[in-house]
Amino acid sequence: AQSVTQPDIHITVSEGASLELRCNYSYGATPYLFWYVQSPGQGLQLLLKYFSGDTLVQGIKGFEAEFKRSQSSFNLRKPSVHWSDAAEYFCAVGARTGFQKLVFGTGTRLLVSP
Amino acid sequence: NAGVTQTPKFRVLKTGQSMTLLCAQDMNHEYMYWYRQDPGMGLRLIHYSVGEGTTAKGEVPDGYNVSRLKKQNFLLGLESAAPSQTSVYFCASSYGAREAFFGQGTRLTVV
Repeated sequence: AQSVTQPDIHITVSEGASLELRCNYSYGATPYLFWYVQSPGQGLQLLLKYFSGDTLVQGIKGFEAEFKRSQSSFNLRKPSVHWSDAAEYFCAVGARTGFQKLVFGTGTRLLVSP
Repeated sequence: NAGVTQTPKFRVLKTGQSMTLLCAQDMNHEYMYWYRQDPGMGLRLIHYSVGEGTTAKGEVPDGYNVSRLKKQNFLLGLESAAPSQTSVYFCASSYGAREAFFGQGTRLTVV
């Protein structure tokens, strides 16, 4: 069965420090990969996506993610975290054909300390 | 450009009551979805639709019904609400296998 694992429930990072959020997936073939961010009381906003090509993808707000096929991973990174990055982050996978019936991870809540 | 709009944003129901959540999208997307979000469980797919007049069950469909009478609208119904249906509900739409766009959510409490 398809699944997405985000092993860290909470992560606390100092403002200005680097960030890496982990995501591993189990899927029959290489899926489409996504990272979404959710601020408190808000909907989900797409940060970035991987469909094909360069395995290092750039997203909004200075985020990037690297697809590693051999590790079935799609980790999210940011070189310098800002206080406004505090939110919950979801990794998701979807099929390459048809429609986007996404499978989500359980999320990682990012806390940013001063 | 409104994107995906959900109505209402908040609702409190008594056990056994019924209600309908409305989702409207203005992007001419074929595909629409209803998810529920619960703490520690991420988002789980309830029902989805691949086009006007068609619906299908997702991961957690029990206790819910849906209808897609118009391409732009996707309705989620609870016929007899239960406390286990207390959750935040998100509607989404997509164009093919591309990224999904989400609404702002409906926070439902069943007492």
